[in-house]
This record gives sequence, structure tokens and C-alpha cells, in this order.
Amino acid sequence: DIQMTQSPSSLSASVGDRVTITCQASQDISKYLNWYQQKPGKAPKLLIYDASNLETGVPSRFSGSGSGTDFTFTISSLQPEDIATYYCQQYDNVPLTFGGGTKVEIK
Amino acid sequence: QVQLVQSGAEVKKPGASVQVSCKASGYTFTAYYMHWVRQAPGQGLEWMGWINPKSGGTNYAQKFKGRVTMTRDTSITTVYMELSRLRSADAAMYYCARVYSASVVGGGFDPWGQGTLVTISS
Repeated sequence: DIQMTQSPSSLSASVGDRVTITCQASQDISKYLNWYQQKPGKAPKLLIYDASNLETGVPSRFSGSGSGTDFTFTISSLQPEDIATYYCQQYDNVPLTFGGGTKVEIK
Repeated sequence: QVQLVQSGAEVKKPGASVQVSCKASGYTFTAYYMHWVRQAPGQGLEWMGWINPKSGGTNYAQKFKGRVTMTRDTSITTVYMELSRLRSADAAMYYCARVYSASVVGGGFDPWGQGTLVTISS
């Protein structure tokens, strides 16, 4: 199974800060990496697909980059509504696997 | 609009089975693979498997093979996930999630169902 190592597991930042989350795959997954946002009590929401493509309707302050084994998710200017847990997910190989999540809080 | 509506919460005894349904609307049901993902309380996301609504073909995570069955009924655009021999570790929110692109197995999941909470209690 491909292991997805996501870091940090939590972070606290101020409104307007740039926030970066990393996800490392245990083997090459090309660009087959998605990012989700999950707010408490809600289902996850797709933000970024294929490593760097912004899902329709998602604010442009969210972005993703990377390929192979190393990926980055960025919020360029943190907003109060961005408080959530973020997950990466690979779909290069079955079983599909998720990172452990990053909980983002406002300082 | 594209929507997935899941069945309601369930309380089951250890050793029992649970079936969760996921009714799809707003798109061509047979054109998009459907996946199931679960989330234990306070934990991360765990992929369980997928079903091809067109053919009925399935692929399950090794962890669940022998205990999980995914089926579909095209006449009512509904997929089902049945998990048998339930144990306390199966207590979780169960989600169905559609692949965002037609005719591909993998890819991003969008949309998701609202989730079905399965509680295990003797």
C-alpha cells in the first residue's frame, strides 16, 4: 500500500497568513493526488485534483503543486471560513489512501 | 444538481450486518464510478472500495474483502454497501462518493453523500 505522510498534523495561523501543508507519498504517484477540506460534522469537499487543478467554484487562494512523491497545498491568505481539516489522497494505486490530515486553526 | 443522499443512522450489534444505501440524482448514474469511504470518530478517512454502476464490477480494499459487498440498482439509481460481521472497530461514519470524471475509476471524489453513522452496541 502507498503510505501518505502529511505534515503538520495541526497548525495555528493568523487571518491573512500563508499556510502550507505537505504530503509525501511512499512511492511515485505521478500527479494522482487530490486535496480535500473537511469541516466538523460535514463530508469532505474536493478542492484540488490531479495535484494542481482547482475544482470549479473553489476560491483561488487555494492551490496545489508537486508530482512524484512530494506535494504541497497552500492557502495564500487564510480566512476564518478555512478552519477545517485538510486531507491529501492518492489514487495512483489501489487501495486508495489518504494522508492523516492537517487541522487548521486560527491563532 | 448532482446529489448523493444516504440512508439514515444505524445501530447494530456486534456480529450483525449493516447495509447503507446511496441514492444518486442529477447525472447519468451509470457513467460514474462510486466509492465508499469511512471515518471512525475523530479519525481520518479510510477507503473501502468502488463499484462500477454500469457493469456492477467492484474492487474492495484488502482489509474488507470477505466482509464488504457493494451492489447497485440502476432502476432506482442507488448503490449499496453491506458490511458483515460487525465489530466495535467498524463504528464510523460511512460515505459514498462519486468520482468527478465520467468513466474513470480514480480521481477526485465530488460529490460526497452526507454520511451514515453506524454505531455498534451490544
